Amino acid sequence: SAVISQKPSRDICQRGTSLTIQCQVDSQVTMMFWYRQQPGQSLTLIATANQGSEATYESGFVIDKFPISRPNLTFSTLTVSNMSPEDSSIYLCSVALNSNQPQHFGDGTRLSIL
Amino acid sequence: KNEVEQSPQNLTAQEGEFITINCSYSVGISALHWLQQHPGGGIVSLFMLSSGKKKHGRLIATINIQEKHSSLHITASHPRDSAVYICAVSGNGNDMRFGAGTRLTVKP
Repeated sequence: SAVISQKPSRDICQRGTSLTIQCQVDSQVTMMFWYRQQPGQSLTLIATANQGSEATYESGFVIDKFPISRPNLTFSTLTVSNMSPEDSSIYLCSVALNSNQPQHFGDGTRLSIL
Repeated sequence: KNEVEQSPQNLTAQEGEFITINCSYSVGISALHWLQQHPGGGIVSLFMLSSGKKKHGRLIATINIQEKHSSLHITASHPRDSAVYICAVSGNGNDMRFGAGTRLTVKP
């Protein structure tokens, strides 16, 4: 299975600032996903990160707030822009070789906004 | 109504007990997933199944496509099984929709 390195593991940020989260995979993967897990809640898909094209966002999530990069098959970033306390969550990336394979998750980034 | 419903929400068991967590879904799916999330937040994929039954160690997952229902069973439960168990469903694009999770506590 793929080994995923997600950075930072946690951060405390000021309101109005932006933070970029990195997801590095030790092998080339077709599919990469970004999720949010708000306190006490289950996961919600933010977007599918497509290599070489714009990310595909789920309802309720927009590119201006959560810009995503996917420059190659082993790396992606998610930026949480203009943060507010409501953005305090765990953000997770996951990868899958293809749609028939299970997803493997990073350890998550625990983000707190003051 | 959520697309994926899990029960129970919380479950406490004594070590050695047989545990069942249930999941019902209301949408068409390509696969159903069972995930385990430990207190530190890390998530592990336990099963991905589209029919029948799968077994891995003390864990068994079943799915009934007609009834849109799946169960996760843990035999001979152990305190290290304490975690949140999440049911999720995916379509052709492997984008998952998640249940709210079942918080399992196994007491020694």
